[in-house]
Parts: sequence; structure tokens; C-alpha cells
Amino acid sequence: DAGVIQSPRHEVTEMGQEVTLRCKLISGHNSLFWYRQTMMRGLELLIYFNNNVPIDDSGMPEDRFSAKMPNASFSTLKIQPSEPRDSAVYFCASSSLRGPYGYTFGSGTRLTVV
Amino acid sequence: DQQVKQNSPSLSVQEGRISILNCDYTNSMFDYFLWYKKYPAEGPTFLISISSIKDKNEDGRFTVFLNKSAKHLSLHIVPSQPGDSAVYFCAASAQGYGQNFVFGPGTRLSVLP
Repeated sequence: DAGVIQSPRHEVTEMGQEVTLRCKLISGHNSLFWYRQTMMRGLELLIYFNNNVPIDDSGMPEDRFSAKMPNASFSTLKIQPSEPRDSAVYFCASSSLRGPYGYTFGSGTRLTVV
Repeated sequence: DQQVKQNSPSLSVQEGRISILNCDYTNSMFDYFLWYKKYPAEGPTFLISISSIKDKNEDGRFTVFLNKSAKHLSLHIVPSQPGDSAVYFCAASAQGYGQNFVFGPGTRLSVLP
């Protein structure tokens, strides 16, 4: 299995531009989580889905952030418009309710908004 | 308010000695705990877990201890190796494994040769 795949690995964009981060889940996993890592706050949960349905989006910073899961294996996190304070590493992770090992994380997308 | 705390942002240990990473939590409903290890430019990877029905779980050089009354867990690495240098995250769940883990802010471990 290729694991959780995130793209792009790095993104540099100008303030005000739209940014779309992508995530492909592990086959058979039915839960998807988007996290943001910053020096100050560590790993923050932004939103998670079970069986393609958003369950908890209370961690989404504001309306500029949106996430979708158009099918069981793929998700996007969009920021529109982007701001410099959005600069962070964004991780997605997937899990199976039958597994005891928590989440499998992707390698992350490092976003820099200038 | 942080439900999972790792009060030491960093820790340095000599190679061959013991590394002890600490984690405290506030939610008494947490019943499953994980430790993740993260290298630069990579995602966190699962290291070891413990259920609240146990107070110790061991896997090779890694042992996790859970003190439910103190709401405290710790990860022991013996002996420490330079390859253990990474950021370690503690995570807790109130719903068993697989669901909605809350992560601590992480502790950066440096193992010095």
C-alpha cells in the first residue's frame, strides 16, 4: 500500500490567492483527518470525516477554510483567500475503525503564504 | 485549554542513556493513548500505544507507562540512539482507537553521540 499521499509537498503562494491541498487515503480506511502543525500550537485538528461525511469542523479557523471529500479515497482542503498566518505544515491522516494504531499520516504539505 | 500537555518542548540525552518523555492530560474520559514520532519533512508515524486497562506496554526499546490517577503517561527509550532524535507527540482518545485523537504539542528529543 502506498500510504496516505498528499500533494503538493510544498506550496508558496501570494496573499489573497486560493490554495488547494490534496489527500489520497489508504484503501479501506473510512476516516479522514486534516491537521495543521505550527510551532506555537503543535498539531491542531481542523476537520475530520467518517465515511465521506464531515463530523467535526470546529477546528477550521474561519470561513476562508473549506474541506471536501468527493469520494471515499480523496479529500481537498481549500483556503480562499490565503493569508500569511496560514503558513504552516498541513497533514492529512486516515484511519480504520478496526485498527488499533490510530492514524496513518501523509508526509504533509508545507504552505508558505507571502 | 489544552487537553493533552507535553510541558517539555525539548530534551537532550546522551547516546546509550534513558530518554523519558512526559505527557499529562486533563480529560478523565480518555481511554486510549498513542505516541507518535516525527522526523523533519515527514508525517508523524505510530510508535506505541496503551489502553487505559493497562499501566505499562513495552515494545523493544520503547515502554509507555500510564498513571490514570495522576492523568500522566510517559515514554521511556532505553538505550537511546541518535536515530531516535525526532519530535514525539502524545495523543489521547476518549473513543477507543481510530477516532478523534487529541495531540499534545510535541517534545523534540535530541540524542547526542
